Amino acid sequence: GQNIDQPTEMTATEGAIVQINCTYQTSGFNGLFWYQQHAGEAPTFLSYNVLDGLEEKGRFSSFLSRSKGYSYLLLKELQMKDSASYLCAVLDSNYQLIWGAGTKLIIKP
Amino acid sequence: GAVVSQHPSRVICKSGTSVKIECRSLDFQATTMFWYRQFPKKSLMLMATSNEGSKATYEQGVEKDKFLINHASLTLSTLTVTSAHPEDSSFYICSARVVDTHTEAFFGQGTRLTVV
Repeated sequence: GQNIDQPTEMTATEGAIVQINCTYQTSGFNGLFWYQQHAGEAPTFLSYNVLDGLEEKGRFSSFLSRSKGYSYLLLKELQMKDSASYLCAVLDSNYQLIWGAGTKLIIKP
Repeated sequence: GAVVSQHPSRVICKSGTSVKIECRSLDFQATTMFWYRQFPKKSLMLMATSNEGSKATYEQGVEKDKFLINHASLTLSTLTVTSAHPEDSSFYICSARVVDTHTEAFFGQGTRLTVV
Protein backbone atom coordinates (compact mmCIF):
# COMPACT_ATOMS: atom_id res chain seq x y z
CA GLY A 1 0.00 0.00 0.00
CA GLN A 2 0.91 3.62 -0.18
CA ASN A 3 1.88 5.42 2.98
CA ILE A 4 3.06 8.84 4.03
CA ASP A 5 4.19 9.52 7.58
CA GLN A 6 4.68 12.84 9.29
CA PRO A 7 4.51 13.84 12.95
CA THR A 8 1.07 14.72 14.23
CA GLU A 9 2.07 17.84 16.09
CA MET A 10 5.14 19.98 16.78
CA THR A 11 5.75 23.00 18.95
CA ALA A 12 8.35 25.70 18.36
CA THR A 13 9.21 29.17 19.59
CA GLU A 14 8.78 32.40 17.68
CA GLY A 15 12.02 33.35 15.93
CA ALA A 16 13.39 29.82 16.03
CA ILE A 17 13.82 27.16 13.33
CA VAL A 18 11.73 24.02 12.96
CA GLN A 19 12.07 20.98 10.69
CA ILE A 20 9.03 18.92 9.75
CA ASN A 21 9.86 15.47 8.42
CA CYS A 22 7.95 13.33 5.95
CA THR A 23 8.69 9.76 4.91
CA TYR A 24 6.88 7.98 2.13
CA GLN A 25 6.38 4.60 0.51
CA THR A 26 4.45 4.95 -2.73
CA SER A 27 3.89 3.23 -6.06
CA GLY A 28 6.38 5.23 -8.04
CA PHE A 29 7.37 8.84 -7.52
CA ASN A 30 6.81 11.93 -9.59
CA GLY A 31 7.51 14.55 -6.99
CA LEU A 32 6.66 15.69 -3.50
CA PHE A 33 4.66 18.72 -2.42
CA TRP A 34 4.38 20.66 0.79
CA TYR A 35 1.23 22.61 1.56
CA GLN A 36 0.28 24.92 4.39
CA GLN A 37 -3.24 24.86 5.77
CA HIS A 38 -4.59 27.29 8.35
CA ALA A 39 -7.55 26.11 10.39
CA GLY A 40 -10.80 26.34 8.44
CA GLU A 41 -9.06 27.25 5.20
CA ALA A 42 -7.97 25.36 2.10
CA PRO A 43 -4.35 24.26 1.66
CA THR A 44 -1.94 26.57 -0.11
CA PHE A 45 1.07 25.44 -2.10
CA LEU A 46 4.51 25.89 -0.53
CA SER A 47 7.00 23.82 -2.49
CA TYR A 48 7.65 21.03 -4.96
CA ASN A 49 10.67 18.73 -5.09
CA VAL A 50 11.37 16.08 -7.67
CA LEU A 51 15.18 15.97 -7.60
CA ASP A 52 17.34 15.28 -4.57
CA GLY A 53 18.54 18.27 -2.65
CA LEU A 54 17.40 21.44 -1.01
CA GLU A 55 15.04 24.01 -2.50
CA GLU A 56 15.05 27.36 -0.74
CA LYS A 57 12.26 29.89 -0.95
CA GLY A 58 12.55 32.74 1.50
CA ARG A 59 12.08 31.54 5.08
CA PHE A 60 10.95 28.12 3.87
CA SER A 61 13.15 25.36 2.45
CA SER A 62 12.29 21.84 1.37
CA PHE A 63 14.65 18.89 1.08
CA LEU A 64 14.26 15.60 -0.73
CA SER A 65 16.13 12.29 -0.69
CA ARG A 66 14.51 9.88 -3.12
CA SER A 67 16.72 6.96 -2.13
CA LYS A 68 15.58 7.30 1.48
CA GLY A 69 11.95 8.16 0.70
CA TYR A 70 12.38 11.21 2.87
CA SER A 71 11.67 14.91 2.79
CA TYR A 72 11.64 17.74 5.25
CA LEU A 73 10.25 21.25 5.36
CA LEU A 74 12.44 23.75 7.17
CA LEU A 75 10.93 26.94 8.51
CA LYS A 76 13.27 29.69 9.71
CA GLU A 77 12.65 32.84 11.73
CA LEU A 78 9.30 31.49 12.84
CA GLN A 79 6.42 33.91 13.09
CA MET A 80 3.13 33.47 14.92
CA LYS A 81 1.33 33.37 11.56
CA ASP A 82 3.25 30.18 10.73
CA SER A 83 1.00 28.32 13.16
CA ALA A 84 -0.82 25.97 10.82
CA SER A 85 -0.90 22.40 9.58
CA TYR A 86 1.72 21.36 7.05
CA LEU A 87 0.76 18.66 4.60
CA CYS A 88 3.17 16.44 2.71
CA ALA A 89 1.85 14.94 -0.53
CA VAL A 90 3.49 12.64 -3.08
CA LEU A 91 2.67 12.23 -6.76
CA ASP A 92 2.75 8.52 -7.49
CA SER A 93 3.48 6.81 -10.79
CA ASN A 94 -0.07 7.50 -11.98
CA TYR A 95 0.25 11.18 -11.04
CA GLN A 96 -2.20 10.64 -8.21
CA LEU A 97 -1.63 12.83 -5.19
CA ILE A 98 -1.19 10.83 -1.99
CA TRP A 99 -1.65 12.97 1.11
CA GLY A 100 -0.05 12.69 4.51
CA ALA A 101 -2.14 13.32 7.61
CA GLY A 102 -0.49 16.67 8.20
CA THR A 103 1.64 18.12 11.00
CA LYS A 104 0.08 20.72 13.24
CA LEU A 105 2.72 23.33 14.09
CA ILE A 106 2.16 25.39 17.21
CA ILE A 107 4.26 28.54 17.60
CA LYS A 108 4.72 29.93 21.10
CA PRO A 109 5.88 33.48 21.89
CA GLY B 1 -0.96 30.29 -9.72
CA ALA B 2 -4.32 29.26 -11.05
CA VAL B 3 -7.51 30.29 -9.27
CA VAL B 4 -10.20 27.88 -8.17
CA SER B 5 -13.38 29.34 -6.73
CA GLN B 6 -15.64 27.31 -4.47
CA HIS B 7 -19.08 28.37 -3.37
CA PRO B 8 -20.64 28.60 -0.84
CA SER B 9 -18.00 28.95 1.84
CA ARG B 10 -20.47 28.10 4.60
CA VAL B 11 -23.89 26.50 4.54
CA ILE B 12 -26.30 25.32 7.20
CA CYS B 13 -29.10 23.04 6.13
CA LYS B 14 -31.79 20.91 7.71
CA SER B 15 -31.62 17.13 7.84
CA GLY B 16 -33.11 15.54 4.78
CA THR B 17 -32.42 18.42 2.42
CA SER B 18 -29.83 18.55 -0.35
CA VAL B 19 -26.94 20.95 -0.71
CA LYS B 20 -25.02 21.80 -3.85
CA ILE B 21 -21.42 22.97 -3.76
CA GLU B 22 -19.83 24.52 -6.84
CA CYS B 23 -16.20 24.50 -7.84
CA ARG B 24 -14.98 26.66 -10.71
CA SER B 25 -11.56 26.98 -12.28
CA LEU B 26 -11.40 30.64 -13.22
CA ASP B 27 -8.37 30.91 -15.44
CA PHE B 28 -7.68 27.46 -16.81
CA GLN B 29 -9.59 24.50 -18.15
CA ALA B 30 -9.67 21.76 -15.57
CA THR B 31 -10.60 18.48 -17.22
CA THR B 32 -10.21 16.81 -13.85
CA MET B 33 -11.27 18.09 -10.45
CA PHE B 34 -11.00 16.40 -7.08
CA TRP B 35 -13.39 16.49 -4.18
CA TYR B 36 -12.07 16.07 -0.65
CA ARG B 37 -13.62 15.85 2.75
CA GLN B 38 -11.75 16.88 5.84
CA PHE B 39 -12.66 16.08 9.43
CA PRO B 40 -11.34 18.25 12.27
CA LYS B 41 -7.62 17.81 12.83
CA LYS B 42 -7.44 15.23 10.05
CA SER B 43 -5.93 15.32 6.60
CA LEU B 44 -7.69 15.46 3.28
CA MET B 45 -9.75 12.43 2.37
CA LEU B 46 -10.28 12.03 -1.37
CA MET B 47 -13.94 11.37 -2.07
CA ALA B 48 -14.02 11.30 -5.84
CA THR B 49 -12.35 12.36 -9.04
CA SER B 50 -14.55 14.39 -11.32
CA ASN B 51 -13.92 14.08 -15.06
CA GLU B 52 -15.42 16.51 -17.52
CA GLY B 53 -18.00 14.85 -19.70
CA SER B 54 -17.95 11.49 -17.96
CA LYS B 55 -18.93 9.85 -14.71
CA ALA B 56 -16.99 10.59 -11.59
CA THR B 57 -14.71 7.99 -10.07
CA TYR B 58 -15.55 7.45 -6.42
CA GLU B 59 -13.17 6.23 -3.74
CA GLN B 60 -14.00 3.09 -1.83
CA GLY B 61 -16.57 3.68 0.86
CA VAL B 62 -18.00 6.84 -0.66
CA GLU B 63 -21.66 6.52 -1.63
CA LYS B 64 -22.13 7.77 -5.17
CA ASP B 65 -25.88 8.16 -4.70
CA LYS B 66 -25.30 10.27 -1.62
CA PHE B 67 -22.61 12.49 -3.07
CA LEU B 68 -23.59 13.36 -6.61
CA ILE B 69 -20.86 14.84 -8.78
CA ASN B 70 -21.44 16.59 -12.06
CA HIS B 71 -18.64 17.96 -14.23
CA ALA B 72 -20.62 19.53 -17.02
CA SER B 73 -18.00 21.85 -18.39
CA LEU B 74 -14.25 22.35 -18.39
CA THR B 75 -14.53 24.97 -15.70
CA LEU B 76 -17.29 23.75 -13.39
CA SER B 77 -17.78 20.74 -11.17
CA THR B 78 -20.53 20.40 -8.59
CA LEU B 79 -20.95 18.19 -5.55
CA THR B 80 -24.47 17.65 -4.26
CA VAL B 81 -24.92 16.15 -0.84
CA THR B 82 -28.32 14.52 -1.02
CA SER B 83 -30.63 13.88 1.94
CA ALA B 84 -28.07 15.37 4.25
CA HIS B 85 -27.70 14.11 7.81
CA PRO B 86 -25.74 15.57 10.73
CA GLU B 87 -22.92 13.07 10.14
CA ASP B 88 -22.38 14.70 6.74
CA SER B 89 -21.33 17.88 8.50
CA SER B 90 -17.76 18.49 7.46
CA PHE B 91 -15.35 20.65 5.51
CA TYR B 92 -15.50 19.90 1.78
CA ILE B 93 -12.74 21.11 -0.53
CA CYS B 94 -12.33 20.87 -4.28
CA SER B 95 -9.12 21.08 -6.22
CA ALA B 96 -8.08 21.19 -9.84
CA ARG B 97 -4.89 19.90 -11.38
CA VAL B 98 -3.46 19.45 -14.80
CA VAL B 99 -3.34 15.67 -14.70
CA ASP B 100 -0.41 13.57 -15.84
CA THR B 101 1.90 16.44 -14.97
CA HIS B 102 3.76 17.54 -11.89
CA THR B 103 1.82 20.75 -11.50
CA GLU B 104 0.47 21.43 -8.06
CA ALA B 105 -3.14 21.18 -7.04
CA PHE B 106 -5.06 24.43 -6.80
CA PHE B 107 -7.67 24.43 -4.11
CA GLY B 108 -10.99 26.13 -3.73
CA GLN B 109 -11.69 27.98 -0.51
CA GLY B 110 -13.57 25.05 1.00
CA THR B 111 -17.17 24.73 2.16
CA ARG B 112 -18.12 24.28 5.79
CA LEU B 113 -21.34 22.24 5.79
CA THR B 114 -23.40 22.02 8.96
CA VAL B 115 -26.48 19.81 8.95
CA VAL B 116 -28.92 20.48 11.78
